[in-house]
Amino acid sequence: EPEVTQTPSHQVTQMGQEVILRCVPISNHLYFYWYRQILGQKVEFLVSFYNNEISEKSEIFDDQFSVERPDGSNFTLKIRSTKLEDSAMYFCASGPEGETQYFGPGTRLLVL
Amino acid sequence: QQQVKQSPQSLIVQKGGISIINCAYENTAFDYFPWYQQFPGKGPALLIAIRPDVSEKKEGRFTISFNKSAKQFSLHIMDSQPGDSATYFCAATRPHSGTYKYIFGTGTRLKVLA
Repeated sequence: EPEVTQTPSHQVTQMGQEVILRCVPISNHLYFYWYRQILGQKVEFLVSFYNNEISEKSEIFDDQFSVERPDGSNFTLKIRSTKLEDSAMYFCASGPEGETQYFGPGTRLLVL
Repeated sequence: QQQVKQSPQSLIVQKGGISIINCAYENTAFDYFPWYQQFPGKGPALLIAIRPDVSEKKEGRFTISFNKSAKQFSLHIMDSQPGDSATYFCAATRPHSGTYKYIFGTGTRLKVLA
């Protein structure tokens, strides 16, 4: 069964450093999402992406965040200058149509 | 208006029992309501979903009941098993430029005792 994959599974970085989180959505899916989950809290929407552009973004998704689909298979989330409060589990999701979303296993980001 | 309220926060059920988790929403524009199951260290996995034009949907031991007038929906797990022990999230969403931003509930940690 096809799955969303994410790399790395864990990332530790120093505050102020740039990180790139990578996702390979399920093949033929057209809708892509990033969510995050701070430890012990609910999953929060960051951004949705369709037709090579951002469709919607949350207030969390400020100028420090960007997304890109550099080729036909990868979908990346870049945080330009990480802050302590960016420490969270980041989930990528993809969907064949808008409402159904399949989540990847996540990248645990720790900012020191 | 964007919130989805989920209860209880935690739930302990005996093996074979029925687990019931409730969610409530306010935004009447929401038109798709999925439930996700999450095991520790894993991503949320889609369990079952419903649209507001039906009042109930059943898939195996999992049933969603939907009350549009009350703006509430619930997940029922029949014959609960220890393997069902996980965190369950409800969500609600509506379309925006073709995509669907999920608003998740706060989660319910379910423990099924053997």
